[in-house]
Amino acid sequence: EMQLVQSGLEVKKPGESLKISCEGSGYTFSNYWIGWVRQMPGKGLEWMGVIYPGDSDTRYSPSFQGQVTISADKSISTAYLQWRSLKASDTGIFYCARGTEGFRYFDLWGRGTLVTVSS
Amino acid sequence: SYDLTQPPSLSVSPGQTARITCSGDELEDKDAYWYQLKPGQSPVLVIYQDTKRPSGIPKRFSGSTSGNRATLTISGTQAMDEADYYCQAWDSGTVVFGGGTKLTVL
Repeated sequence: EMQLVQSGLEVKKPGESLKISCEGSGYTFSNYWIGWVRQMPGKGLEWMGVIYPGDSDTRYSPSFQGQVTISADKSISTAYLQWRSLKASDTGIFYCARGTEGFRYFDLWGRGTLVTVSS
Repeated sequence: SYDLTQPPSLSVSPGQTARITCSGDELEDKDAYWYQLKPGQSPVLVIYQDTKRPSGIPKRFSGSTSGNRATLTISGTQAMDEADYYCQAWDSGTVVFGGGTKLTVL
């Protein structure tokens, strides 16, 4: 069964760093783009960026460029989303998803990681 | 930046047809995709490449396009279809989501 398994709930304080993960299984992880999508509380989906685990080619949404870092370790079929210094406005659910046709759309999604940033 | 516009909400009675629209400049030249998102669950792709239905998606879900508008149609809407629906397109190397439509089945 193909699946993306994301790391669990995170509760952090402003200024702290964070790295969440997304592990793929049931398919050749390195052959598909992995995207990250944010959903802020009560809001819609926002595309953050994608990475191709095969060669770590990474693309960012202009809205998230410089705000987060996307990385991957193809040896363990895992992609990451990282913050150096969290803000309260980073609170949300973060989904990883497998890209298809490059990353024109996403056909397999993780269950999401809830990140709460509060002092 | 490219924008996709959806109505914020739509209400239908069980058994009725729900039509959720998504508008964007030159959308007819791009493929439209649709996702269903229920609280506490992963998003699910329900339509890809404007009209195609992934395996496992019920036949009551269909997609169409006309001009700069894409439409997700749910025929014979069921209570289990109550969810948020998002359209998505790919423009100049970026992924764009619509604002989402909350479908209520009452």
